Amino acid sequence: EPEVTQTPSHQVTQMGQEVILRCVPISNHLYFYWYRQILGQKVEFLVSFYNNEISEKSEIFDDQFSVERPDGSNFTLKIRSTKLEDSAMYFCASSEGQWNTGELFFGEGSRLTVL
Amino acid sequence: SQQGEEDPQALSIQEGENATMNCSYKTSINNLQWYRQNSGRGLVHLILIRSNEREKHSGRLRVTLDTSKKSSSLLITASRAADTASYFCATDQDYTGGFKTIFGAGTRLFVKA
Repeated sequence: EPEVTQTPSHQVTQMGQEVILRCVPISNHLYFYWYRQILGQKVEFLVSFYNNEISEKSEIFDDQFSVERPDGSNFTLKIRSTKLEDSAMYFCASSEGQWNTGELFFGEGSRLTVL
Repeated sequence: SQQGEEDPQALSIQEGENATMNCSYKTSINNLQWYRQNSGRGLVHLILIRSNEREKHSGRLRVTLDTSKKSSSLLITASRAADTASYFCATDQDYTGGFKTIFGAGTRLFVKA
């Protein structure tokens, strides 16, 4: 069964360092998303991406964040200068159709720890 | 505005009992979805109900939607220990431009064997 894969599963970084989280969405999906979940808290929307551009972003997704689809398979989230409060689980998701037509398929997440 | 607020925050039941979780939201929606998350894992889609539907079933799951009250409920019948997880409702806001699915804070369900 096709699945969304994310790497790394866990990354530890020093405050101020740049981090890139990688995702491989399901191959025929057109819509891509990043969410984050601080331990034990709600799943927060960061950004949605379609047709090689950001479709929507939340207030969390400030200038420190960027997303890219560098090739036909990867979808990346970059945090330029990490802060302690960026420590969270980051989930990538993809969907075949637009938001109002069906489910999101999530990866297993990348746990980011900022020291 | 916050969307998809679930209650209760936590629920502990015995195996075999039914579990009911509720979700309320604030703006108009096109559909509402329920997801499940095992501890430390990704979210898994359970069921989607459209705004023009009132009830939907999938196996032991039953979802209702009341758009007049802006609320939904997820019922898991004959619960099993393996149902222990967090359950989230998610709503897709009706607006122009971009698109996003917003999750609530979740209900932590613990099913005791």
